[in-house]
Amino acid sequence: GEDVEQSLFLSVREGDSSVINCTYTDSSSTYLYWYKQEPGAGLQLLTYIFSNMDMKQDQRLTVLLNKKDKHLSLRIADTQTGDSAIYFCAESDAGNNRKLIWGLGTSLAVNP
Amino acid sequence: GAVVSQHPSWVICKSGTSVKIECRSLDFQATTMFWYRQFPKQSLMLMATSNEGSKATYEQGVEKDKFLINHASLTLSTLTVTSAHPEDSSFYICSAREASGSFHEQYFGPGTRLTVT
Repeated sequence: GEDVEQSLFLSVREGDSSVINCTYTDSSSTYLYWYKQEPGAGLQLLTYIFSNMDMKQDQRLTVLLNKKDKHLSLRIADTQTGDSAIYFCAESDAGNNRKLIWGLGTSLAVNP
Repeated sequence: GAVVSQHPSWVICKSGTSVKIECRSLDFQATTMFWYRQFPKQSLMLMATSNEGSKATYEQGVEKDKFLINHASLTLSTLTVTSAHPEDSSFYICSAREASGSFHEQYFGPGTRLTVT
């Protein structure tokens, strides 16, 4: 079945770059997403990438997609304490409702 | 940005009782709403998809008679957990997709923590 895997924890120093990795199994995935979850707040869409793209950059965020290896990464440049949160990788299937299949989430801790 | 609220944010109920959770899109119309369940240290699991004015589509393994979903308006969907048991204790999250927006965008509520004693 479909599966999305992420490492559970990442700790970085403020100002460094963070790289959060994700692997997925469904080769028919059309879109891949990164969401951020802060305590007490709803999941927030950070960015997404279409499966025929290799890279997408949006300000401090860079998404890399290796479709052959089914590997997705999110790089956060100049990580700040406000970036501390749980980051979820998700893929969507090709159905009409485009339901999302989620990873477990990576807890990012940014140390001053 | 679009805001989705959930009410209540947490609830404790006794085994055998029913509890209703509301999901509202505050500043947009949501033709589609999704209900998720999240266990500790586990990923979000989609329970059902509801389109306004029609019956919800439940994922495999989710009992539709136990988890009643009503999406009666473009701004409100409700999830009722009937005859709740301790194993129903979980974090329930809803999301909404805007009628006129990109299908990529799902706006999430902050979640409802249900504890069944």
